[in-house]
Amino acid sequence: AQSVAQPEDQVNVAEGNPLTVKCTYSVSGNPYLFWYVQYPNRGLQFLLKYITGDNLVKGSYGFEAEFNKSQTSFHLKKPSALVSDSALYFCAVRADQAGTALIFGKGTTLSVSS
Amino acid sequence: GAVVSQHPSWVICKSGTSVKIECRSLDFQATTMFWYRQFPKQSLMLMATSNEGSKATYEQGVEKDKFLINHASLTLSTLTVTSAHPEDSSFYICSARVLAGVTTGELFFGEGSRLTVL
Repeated sequence: AQSVAQPEDQVNVAEGNPLTVKCTYSVSGNPYLFWYVQYPNRGLQFLLKYITGDNLVKGSYGFEAEFNKSQTSFHLKKPSALVSDSALYFCAVRADQAGTALIFGKGTTLSVSS
Repeated sequence: GAVVSQHPSWVICKSGTSVKIECRSLDFQATTMFWYRQFPKQSLMLMATSNEGSKATYEQGVEKDKFLINHASLTLSTLTVTSAHPEDSSFYICSARVLAGVTTGELFFGEGSRLTVL
């Protein structure tokens, strides 16, 4: 069965500092990995994905994520955090492109202080 | 990116009534739509997979007679919460995948519908 773990409920960083939001996954076969962001009372916005190719994936709003197969991780990163990055971040996985829904981690609240 | 629209965005109803939530793909066709439920400060839990022209596939523990899903066209799926009770109060989010063959992998999400049952 597929699963996603986001070990941190909350991440606090100061504006201008780098940020990392952690994600590890478990899936049979090749993983398809995604990061989404959610603002209060809103739907999810797609940030980036890893399907195949380069392990470092660049996405929206300056975010990037690194796929590490040996560690089964897909951590979200940004070199310089903004206050406006404060939101709820979800990592998601599915086992293959053709069929299934995304399985989400529990989410990590990112709080960026000015 | 592709746009998914949900309606209503917020609904308040009395216990025992039924509520219908619509999910539309505005600029693409979606053979498959997914319905998620999100409790406060929690993750998204997959409720069911909705396939155009066929019966929905429900996740374990989800009552199919309570959460009726209809996917009558390639751009519309509906979720009806029947005989709603306060414990059904939640944030319901739909998502859609473009037709197979042109998919880029990610799902596109609606803005969500907050249901409050009094």
